[in-house]
Amino acid sequence: GEDVEQSLFLSVREGDSSVINCTYTDSSSTYLYWYKQEPGAGLQLLTYIFSNMDMKQDQRLTVLLNKKDKHLSLRIADTQTGDSAIYFCAEILDQAGTALIFGKGTTLSVSS
Amino acid sequence: DTEVTQTPKHLVMGMTNKKSLKCEQHMGHRAMYWYKQKAKKPPELMFVYSYEKLSINESVPSRFSPECPNSSLLNLHLHALQPEDSALYLCASSQGGKMTSRTRPGELFFGEGSRLTVL
Repeated sequence: GEDVEQSLFLSVREGDSSVINCTYTDSSSTYLYWYKQEPGAGLQLLTYIFSNMDMKQDQRLTVLLNKKDKHLSLRIADTQTGDSAIYFCAEILDQAGTALIFGKGTTLSVSS
Repeated sequence: DTEVTQTPKHLVMGMTNKKSLKCEQHMGHRAMYWYKQKAKKPPELMFVYSYEKLSINESVPSRFSPECPNSSLLNLHLHALQPEDSALYLCASSQGGKMTSRTRPGELFFGEGSRLTVL
């Protein structure tokens, strides 16, 4: 299938903002997601955005959606060392909304 | 209980062995998934079960055989695997069914995975 693209690495200092970008494939995607995977663990849903929204804020997380360019971003304010993980954007694979396709993942490294 | 439990956590097997990975959830979810994840790569969808019926098979080789005995359990039977099948196998579940305003679509609950090594 087509790839959901992400930059592979991001390194920031504690307290800075992090911005992770994603380009998705299907302009008809109704929902887009950000998942987090800590070392040795499964994935955990961080946040999602409905396609009729441009922005969604959830505490330190801000999701921006540009449907025209099929571009999704995740901003983490006041990044902490505990935010170090791999971040995957994802879109729904099928019309029934039962399966997700994940981007390549961005490894976020936060230094103190 | 919001957990998806996978066993075993680690499995080492030879190419002639037959083994199984197991997954269990008690959240009343009706969709269950197997994903395969290689190091530094995203999870790749293998199978989706919806209401205990196989709904998606992403062209997975027949040496992987999924089974959904009931709505809480999902197995992955392994036979005659190759070394390149070594990976982290992740099970996930979701509410399943049609998306409604009350469901949170795309929210998959993942287990911690079974790390498989094929010698």
